[in-house]
Amino acid sequence: DSGVTQTPKHLITATGQRVTLRCSPRSGDLSVYWYQQSLDQGLQFLIHYYNGEERAKGNILERFSAQQFPDLHSELNLSSLELGDSALYFCASSIEGHITDTQYFGPGTRLTVL
Amino acid sequence: GIQVEQSPPDLILQEGANSTLRCNFSDSVNNLQWFHQNPWGQLINLFYIPSGTKQNGRLSATTVATERYSLLYISSSQTTDSGVYFCAVGEAAGNKLTFGGGTRVLVKP
Repeated sequence: DSGVTQTPKHLITATGQRVTLRCSPRSGDLSVYWYQQSLDQGLQFLIHYYNGEERAKGNILERFSAQQFPDLHSELNLSSLELGDSALYFCASSIEGHITDTQYFGPGTRLTVL
Repeated sequence: GIQVEQSPPDLILQEGANSTLRCNFSDSVNNLQWFHQNPWGQLINLFYIPSGTKQNGRLSATTVATERYSLLYISSSQTTDSGVYFCAVGEAAGNKLTFGGGTRVLVKP
């Protein structure tokens, strides 16, 4: 158990819908990262938050947004869902957010868009 | 951006065998982590190893940063070692991990 929690574990929804994925980092960690794992793109970085502020963006679609709250939990919002958004979404956390930090991954949320 | 290549893409082992997985990267890195993704999809941290050698039980890893590669050794493999092994690197510029394509390992009893 990495100490990073994600809810829900599974999510099944229809095209055009909006969903919210939630992540709680390890106790004491200030940084949260979101990654997407799909069959065709592999594991890709989406976005990084440090202590409530956005630090870096990767290949995140405009239909996707994220935020980190004062209690340090983070939410990833996915809207106008398409079939291709079906993937495993991981949250990771680290102490500070330096690239030299170890990132610990949560169990993931498996999203299926029908 | 940095390129990360893992080899071999697939590996079938008999229980008890040893194996070596390789990760090549195209630029200098400040972070290198090895993960095991189990059949349930969970990513489990194995090593944080931007340079040097580490051992943890039957697993060990070596990173030669100057030559831009890392090796993961599995000794006396067990069926529970099955899954996908990922190497991920963090670039000097940027604040993210870039993952390789993984090595899918199947250990047969």
